[in-house]
Amino acid sequence: DTGVSQDPRHKITKRGQNVTFRCDPISEHNRLYWYRQTLGQGPEFLTYFQNEAQLEKSRLLSDRFSAERPKGSFSTLEIQRTEQGDSAMYLCASSLYPGQEFFGPGTRLTVL
Amino acid sequence: DAKTTQPNSMESNEEEPVHLPCNHSTISGTDYIHWYRQLPSQGPEYVIHGLTSNVNNRMASLAIAEDRKSSTLILHRATLRDAAVYYCILREGSSNTGKLIFGQGTTLQVKP
Repeated sequence: DTGVSQDPRHKITKRGQNVTFRCDPISEHNRLYWYRQTLGQGPEFLTYFQNEAQLEKSRLLSDRFSAERPKGSFSTLEIQRTEQGDSAMYLCASSLYPGQEFFGPGTRLTVL
Repeated sequence: DAKTTQPNSMESNEEEPVHLPCNHSTISGTDYIHWYRQLPSQGPEYVIHGLTSNVNNRMASLAIAEDRKSSTLILHRATLRDAAVYYCILREGSSNTGKLIFGQGTTLQVKP
């Protein structure tokens, strides 16, 4: 257990539905990241928060995706109008220092 | 983003040392070399990182070539729990984001 928790651990949804994932980072960590990982591939960076500010977004993050980190604590990642191609593991990580990230266990999304 | 090249897979015997190579010929002067590993069904885990000098910690050692175009992660005595995908990552030192760009990694199998 790294101290980063994610909820839910698994989510099955139908195409076109909206889903929201939550990440609770290690409490003193001001940096928070979201990544996506598909089977057999390494994780891909999606977005980065420093405290409550979203400072970087990948081109992978289409306009159906939105992430927030109100008050610089927990974060949510919402996917609207899910597609089958969104099926993946969504990983959250937090850190105090660049590059030394603590990852959560991930949320596995299956879109039917 | 600077790219790394790793073998797809390696095998080791339990209790023997393991040397995991990584080539990064396009590394720039400010890029840090990070290693993460991912055990089955878990999020990635930080292992070690360095800039120019060799580094040791309780998990592993990192040997960096003098020209910095390659590095080697050394596990001194492999155990069955070390079976994982090992990722060699270059992180831009000039960027405050700290995001990690993962490649395919090396899948390490440890035989009893």
